[in-house]
Amino acid sequence: DAKTTQPTSMDCAEGRAANLPCNHSTISGNEYVYWYRQIHSQGPQYIIHGLKNNETNEMASLIITEDRKSSTLILPHATLRDTAVYYCIVRTLGAGNMLTFGGGTRLMVKP
Amino acid sequence: DAEITQSPRHKITETGRQVTLACHQTWNHNNMFWYRQDLGHGLRLIHYSYGVQDTNKGEVSDGYSVSRSNTEDLPLTLESAASSQTSVYFCASSESRRTNTEAFFGQGTRLTVV
Repeated sequence: DAKTTQPTSMDCAEGRAANLPCNHSTISGNEYVYWYRQIHSQGPQYIIHGLKNNETNEMASLIITEDRKSSTLILPHATLRDTAVYYCIVRTLGAGNMLTFGGGTRLMVKP
Repeated sequence: DAEITQSPRHKITETGRQVTLACHQTWNHNNMFWYRQDLGHGLRLIHYSYGVQDTNKGEVSDGYSVSRSNTEDLPLTLESAASSQTSVYFCASSESRRTNTEAFFGQGTRLTVV
């Protein structure tokens, strides 16, 4: 699976949009981009995934660049409960959801 | 509601003892995984299974074993616990290899080896 690069940490003001970038410049055509988050000491939680089109669900939006070499996870109105470590993962269909976690981005939402 | 549960949530054991961590899921998922997470680090894959009687080694499998005798359970056994195995262990499950469905994680087991 392709390697991802994320900033180590970010801050966001409560109520504002949080934009978390991820670089995956070596992604191949059959690899999907997944986002998970881990709130303090809990198990990781799935957020969203996409292949090449932008995706939106009740939690977040995923914007993937046209060349697919980078993506941005957007939390439209961050709350204090969104403080967590966010992991960007690329994975091939058929890999059985075996996830390879990097260091992630520690997002701190501040009042 | 379907769920994935780990037990115990906390365990203290002595070096050299055999320890088994339980993982039980009620989604009837084919895939199950065990990860460990050390302080300040991401999760690393220990073992995984794609179905009954199937087990595979992950990135950090030395000193660990798993067995899959039914769909619901994937117990993780530390054959002879070592201090280096002090960690938080997470179990996960997902539907099948051919789909892009999400993986669901348990709440973790904090293991301390003294």
